[in-house]
Amino acid sequence: TQLLEQSPQFLSIQEGENLTVYCNSSSVFSSLQWYRQEPGEGPVLLVTVVTGGEVKKLKRLTFQFGDARKDSSLHITAAQPGDTGLYLCAGAQNNDMRFGAGTRLTVKP
Amino acid sequence: DVKVTQSSRYLVKRTGEKVFLECVQDMDHENMFWYRQDPGLGLRLIYFSYDVKMKEKGDIPEGYSVSREKKERFSLILESASTNQTSMYLCASNSLSQGLFYGYTFGSGTRLTVV
Repeated sequence: TQLLEQSPQFLSIQEGENLTVYCNSSSVFSSLQWYRQEPGEGPVLLVTVVTGGEVKKLKRLTFQFGDARKDSSLHITAAQPGDTGLYLCAGAQNNDMRFGAGTRLTVKP
Repeated sequence: DVKVTQSSRYLVKRTGEKVFLECVQDMDHENMFWYRQDPGLGLRLIYFSYDVKMKEKGDIPEGYSVSREKKERFSLILESASTNQTSMYLCASNSLSQGLFYGYTFGSGTRLTVV
């Protein structure tokens, strides 16, 4: 059982569509990170959220940390083929970091 | 550009071989980690190190060992490779001052196949 549950597991959409992916847990985290991993590469850190209710924007990507610091969402506006990849969330608790299994996003031109 | 470099992108080894996976970082980070990544299971921590010559077991250390003789280098050793160790291996680092708050810098990964 994953400590961090990501949904959906797979998502395939057309270029220009909007989407939201979720990262949920029953545990409280001191911070939560989102990474994007392209095929054959390691994950690359996109953002860290620390405060409950925090919203961060990175161009077309909007990240939100839940008020109770147990969950997070990633919203992409007007998706592009370059957004294709595996999106991973990771939560930090004390001296422990836990990763979700990821959402595999495919954006078709 | 700061980097975590893993020595091999792809490796094919035979069952029973001793396998060395090397990781070097140029950011003067104290903390280094080895994960394996399998579909549907996410990233699982094998070993980590907070300092030279220090090592701590992660969630799945069985069948693995590590070595950290220099601050910049963290090696993962498969003592006797088995087919269930076929996986993507990821090395990561971060600084002690950042702790876990600010995430990791990952290498590009080594895809290991044991036949």
